[in-house]
Amino acid sequence: KAGVTQTPRYLIKTRGQQVTLSCSPISGHRSVSWYQQTPGQGLQFLFEYFSETQRNKGNFPGRFSGRQFSNSRSEMNVSTLELGDSALYLCASSWTGTNQPQHFGDGTRLSIL
Amino acid sequence: AQSVTQLGSHVSVSEGALVLLRCNYSSSVPPYLFWYVQYPNQGLQLLLKYTSAATLVKGINGFEAEFKKSETSFHLTKPSAHMSDAAEYFCAISGGSNYKLTFGKGTLLTVNP
Repeated sequence: KAGVTQTPRYLIKTRGQQVTLSCSPISGHRSVSWYQQTPGQGLQFLFEYFSETQRNKGNFPGRFSGRQFSNSRSEMNVSTLELGDSALYLCASSWTGTNQPQHFGDGTRLSIL
Repeated sequence: AQSVTQLGSHVSVSEGALVLLRCNYSSSVPPYLFWYVQYPNQGLQLLLKYTSAATLVKGINGFEAEFKKSETSFHLTKPSAHMSDAAEYFCAISGGSNYKLTFGKGTLLTVNP
């Protein structure tokens, strides 16, 4: 059974640009969550989607957005990139997202120059 | 609101010694607790989960954790450390209907030969 797949693995952007990250969940999983990991702030929740609906959102500015498609694949977008957006972005999936173990991808390493 | 505190950002043990990684939680609803491990340049891998079925939980790679409600703790242990256990370990909590994991700051485990 294939795991959570995130693309691309590495990305380099400059300030002011925008970026789109992609996540394909484990087959059958309908909940997809996104987390940002940085050395200073640790792992922080961005948002969670289930059946194309955002059910929860973390404390991030509106520049961070996401969506989920009918096949449960998800994308997150960051506009007007700032140096502080440099981080490892992790996607996780689960069956329903309610108090279940989440299965993580290997992440997308985003570097802002 | 829920939170997790991991005591000790860095733990160093000798190969063959007991591993003890500490996690205390705070939750206003019945908690679901998880331990994850992260190896360099990888995502998070689930070690074990507490979902109220049993207070002593056994996970992969010889790890186990005990849920102690009176102490609001969920410490991770392994009787004998192996070099391959060197990694960063995260305790996480969920509960209610918030559809997210809240992580501790992580504990970096070093295993000395």
